[in-house]
Amino acid sequence: AQSVTQPDIHITVSEGASLELRCNYSYGATPYLFWYVQSPGQGLQLLLKYFSGDTLVQGIKGFEAEFKRSQSSFNLRKPSVHWSDAAEYFCAVGPDRGSTLGRLYFGRGTQLTVWP
Amino acid sequence: KAGVTQTPRYLIKTRGQQVTLSCSPISGHRSVSWYQQTPGQGLQFLFEYFSETQRNKGNFPGRFSGRQFSNSRSEMNVSTLELGDSALYLCASSSIRLTGVSGYTFGSGTRLTVV
Repeated sequence: AQSVTQPDIHITVSEGASLELRCNYSYGATPYLFWYVQSPGQGLQLLLKYFSGDTLVQGIKGFEAEFKRSQSSFNLRKPSVHWSDAAEYFCAVGPDRGSTLGRLYFGRGTQLTVWP
Repeated sequence: KAGVTQTPRYLIKTRGQQVTLSCSPISGHRSVSWYQQTPGQGLQFLFEYFSETQRNKGNFPGRFSGRQFSNSRSEMNVSTLELGDSALYLCASSSIRLTGVSGYTFGSGTRLTVV
């Protein structure tokens, strides 16, 4: 069965520090991979996605993620965190390549706190 | 282009009542999926509709139902509300191509509180 694990429930970093949020997935094939961010009371905003090609993916707000097939990981990184990055971050796995079934499997999320 | 629109944003209902939530996808997107988000269970898939047909369903009781109209707008209904149905309900719109799904765009959600 497909599953997504975000091992860190809560991470605290200082403003200006680097950030890495971990994501591991269990999937039978090569999936679509996503990172979403959610501010309190809001919906999910797409940060970036990996479908194929270059395993290092650039997203919005200065975020990037690297797909490592051998480790079944898709970790999110940012070189310098801003206070406005404080939010909850979700990693998600999409359907099999070529599947048209529109379902995502989400991790439990990582809450990011940024100290000034 | 306009994003995914969910109405209403907030809703308070009493146990035993029923509720209908609405989702208008991005223009041209024919797939709409619904998720329930709670602090205890996280984001859980409810169902997905494509061209007015339910194609995929999560593990929720029959009190949760949905439908999709010819203009791709979707509604979900929860009957006989329970306290545990209090959650943020999110709708996602996606474009389906021959090569698979192109991506998922979420609405701002409907916050349902059952008292």
